Amino acid sequence: AQSVAQPEDQVNVAEGNPLTVKCTYSVSGNPYLFWYVQYPNRGLQFLLKYITGDNLVKGSYGFEAEFNKSQTSFHLKKPSALVSDSALYFCAVRDSASGGSYIPTFGRGTSLIVHP
Amino acid sequence: DAGVIQSPRHEVTEMGQEVTLRCKPISGHNSLFWYRQTMMRGLELLIYFNNNVPIDDSGMPEDRFSAKMPNASFSTLKIQPSEPRDSAVYFCASSPRVGLAGGTDTQYFGPGTRLTVL
Repeated sequence: AQSVAQPEDQVNVAEGNPLTVKCTYSVSGNPYLFWYVQYPNRGLQFLLKYITGDNLVKGSYGFEAEFNKSQTSFHLKKPSALVSDSALYFCAVRDSASGGSYIPTFGRGTSLIVHP
Repeated sequence: DAGVIQSPRHEVTEMGQEVTLRCKPISGHNSLFWYRQTMMRGLELLIYFNNNVPIDDSGMPEDRFSAKMPNASFSTLKIQPSEPRDSAVYFCASSPRVGLAGGTDTQYFGPGTRLTVL
């Protein structure tokens, strides 16, 4: 079975400071990992994904995420937060194992609030 | 490409009425998903189609919900009869198919339909 956890309902950060949104996962095989962002009254928008290769993945809007297999984590990061980054962030995982689901499982979401 | 298109964007109806939500996926995408989002339950997958065929409908809450995909460019989610607890934002998403049979990849979401059942 596959599962994903976002341990923080809300993250607060000052503009200009680095931000981290946490995500941990559980799969039987290798993980396919995704981050999505949802702005108010909008649908989810793809940010980045890890399938294989470099552990550090770069995505849209200056975001990046680091895959850590030993800690089963895929935390989302940005060196300098903007007020416009304030949104709801979702982590998702899909198990590459043949017996696993072909459908990604989404986390509950983390609300990021960037203060001016 | 216009992205995933959903209609209507807002729907207000009375309990007991039939509601039909519509979705046009991105051209060339083989997989289509219907989700429901509420504050209490977060994002829930309702049903997943691959090549117009329903593959997994285990998330459909009950028989009042039904979904169809008559062709590659159109899908509907119907609620009959609707109830106040069905109030939520309903998202449609489409995805290109990866090499493995049944595999999915990045999902592209529509803007959603905000449903209010009075």
